[in-house]
Amino acid sequence: AQSVTQLDSQVPVFEEAPVELRCNYSSSVSVYLFWYVQYPNQGLQLLLKYLSGSTLVKGINGFEAEFNKSQTSFHLRKPSVHISDTAEYFCAVIGSGSRLTFGEGTQLTVNP
Amino acid sequence: DTGVSQNPRHKITKRGQNVTFRCDPISEHNRLYWYRQTLGQGPEFLTYFQNEAQLEKSRLLSDRFSAERPKGSFSTLEIQRTEQGDSAMYLCASSLAYGPQHFGDGTRLSIL
Repeated sequence: AQSVTQLDSQVPVFEEAPVELRCNYSSSVSVYLFWYVQYPNQGLQLLLKYLSGSTLVKGINGFEAEFNKSQTSFHLRKPSVHISDTAEYFCAVIGSGSRLTFGEGTQLTVNP
Repeated sequence: DTGVSQNPRHKITKRGQNVTFRCDPISEHNRLYWYRQTLGQGPEFLTYFQNEAQLEKSRLLSDRFSAERPKGSFSTLEIQRTEQGDSAMYLCASSLAYGPQHFGDGTRLSIL
C-alpha cells in the first residue's frame, strides 16, 4: 500500500515570492508521482508527473518538482508566484495497481 | 479537445433517496475512475474500469454503491438509500492504459 503526506496544510505567501509545497510518500514498490491543482468548485488539473528518468520535472504554469528517492520526497516549487496560483494543491502516487493515492492537500494563498 | 464531462454538477436530495451520476470520459481513453472527495480532504479511490470491465473496487464502495460502464464509454455511479455521510464531491477521471488521469469537474452531492 502507498501513502502520501503533505507536510503543510496551508501556505501563505506574497506575490512574486518563491514557494515550496512539501510532499513525502511511502511505498514498498516503485512509484509514479503527480501534483494536481484544484480551484474552487472544480476538478483536479494535472500540474506535472514523474514516471522515470530525470528527477527534476517541469510542469505547467512555471511549476517544477524534484523526485528524491532516498528521502521519499516530491516537493513542488515555483520561483515566483502570482495571485492566480491561489488554489489547493494535491500530491498523489501510483504504486501497484492503477489507483491514485492522494495527500490531504495544501492550500496555497498568494497575497498582494 | 473535449475533457471529462460529469452530470449533474450539483445534486440535492433527501436522505433515503437514490441518486445516479454520469461521467463521459475523454473519447479515446479506455480507463475510467471514480473518486470521492469530502471537504478539506484529498480524493479517495472508489473504483475503476478498463473498457467495460470493473477491475478494482475500494472497500469504501459499500453495497449501496454500484458503478457501471456498459459499453466501455460513459459510466454511471448510483447510490441507493443515501445517508448523510454520502455528502461529498464525486469525481470521475479517465486515462489511457498507462497515462495520467484527467479529471472532470465533479458532481457535488448534498443530502438533506
